[in-house]
Amino acid sequence: EPEVTQTPSHQVTQMGQEVILRCVPISNHLYFYWYRQILGQKVEFLVSFYNNEISEKSEIFDDQFSVERPDGSNFTLKIRSTKLEDSAMYFCASSGQYTEAFFGQGTRLTVV
Amino acid sequence: AQSVTQLDSQVPVFEEAPVELRCNYSSSVSVYLFWYVQYPNQGLQLLLKYLSGSTLVKSINGFEAEFNKSQTSFHLRKPSVHISDTAEYFCAATSGGSYIPTFGRGTSLIVHP
Repeated sequence: EPEVTQTPSHQVTQMGQEVILRCVPISNHLYFYWYRQILGQKVEFLVSFYNNEISEKSEIFDDQFSVERPDGSNFTLKIRSTKLEDSAMYFCASSGQYTEAFFGQGTRLTVV
Repeated sequence: AQSVTQLDSQVPVFEEAPVELRCNYSSSVSVYLFWYVQYPNQGLQLLLKYLSGSTLVKSINGFEAEFNKSQTSFHLRKPSVHISDTAEYFCAATSGGSYIPTFGRGTSLIVHP
């Protein structure tokens, strides 16, 4: 069964450092998303990506964040200068036309 | 914009008892509804979905949910829960042609022996 894969599963970084979270969406999907879940809180939408550009973003997705689809398979989330409050589980998801979103297992980001 | 409300943050229940996890959504325009489950230290897995057709949808592990347009609800039910059902359950919805799911805060189902 096709699945969304995320690497790494856990990333520890120092405050102020840049991190890149990687995702391989399901191959024939068209829409790609990043969500985050701060420990004990709800799953929050960050950004969606379609046709090689951001289609929608939340107020959380400020200038510190960027997304990229550098090739035909990967979808990355970059945080330029991490803050302590960026510590969270980050989920990548993808969907086809009119289908539900399929989620990866998540990357736990810990900023120290 | 769509919003999803899960009023119960935590639902404790004994094994083999019935359970209902509540979910209400705001916008009924072309709404699609989903329940996702998150087991400890794992990602989100789709449990069931309503896109169109029959308002009662079922999962393979005994959960069901009913789309109720008049009450703008999509409550999740199971007649008899198991210890293994202990998890976080998220209701999500898309509407108005948007494909981006909006999530509720989640309900923690805790099944006691």
